Amino acid sequence: ETGVTQSPTHLIKTRGQQVTLRCSSQSGHNTVSWYQQALGQGPQFIFQYYREEENGRGNFPPRFSGLQFPNYSSELNVNALELDDSALYLCASSLEAGSRSEQYFGPGTRLTVT
Amino acid sequence: QKEVEQDPGPLSVPEGAIVSLNCTYSNSAFQYFMWYRQYSRKGPELLMYTYSSGNKEDGRFTAQVDKSSKYISLFIRDSQPSDSATYLCAMIASYGQNFVFGPGTRLSVLP
Repeated sequence: ETGVTQSPTHLIKTRGQQVTLRCSSQSGHNTVSWYQQALGQGPQFIFQYYREEENGRGNFPPRFSGLQFPNYSSELNVNALELDDSALYLCASSLEAGSRSEQYFGPGTRLTVT
Repeated sequence: QKEVEQDPGPLSVPEGAIVSLNCTYSNSAFQYFMWYRQYSRKGPELLMYTYSSGNKEDGRFTAQVDKSSKYISLFIRDSQPSDSATYLCAMIASYGQNFVFGPGTRLSVLP
């Protein structure tokens, strides 16, 4: 167990709706990264938050947004859901931002958009 | 060409075999290399973390990095049925914020 928790475990939404996913980072970690993993694919980077500020973003549209709180927990919000948003959403926490810091993943939230 | 390539498998081996898993990449800026194990419907679990070229050993696992060939490997000795999972390689440049993952190789170790 990494100490990274995510909620909810599973979620079913309808196209056009909005969703909020939550992540609690491992104790002592100030950086949270979010990834989308489609079935049979590796995780794709969405964005990273470091000390409550966005610290890098992958190739995802603005309807994917995030937040990090003073306790370093984080939220991923997705607006105007599309069928292709169906995936496993993973958050990973690390001690610091940057390449030298190992990332530890939570169990993920499986989102199904119908 | 994708930045990180990995044979998706599935790879089936008998229990006790030595397993070799590989990734190739195109970005010469990648400096840090990771291997993750992911069981079905679970989050990835970090197995190995290496910097630049060379070997690193941890128990039954050995990670190798050959930067000149842009090629990394993970070897699993004395493979067990509990090693059956998808293995993901990931890498990052020294200036990067995010890891770039391969698509994963599905491994099945048969008892």
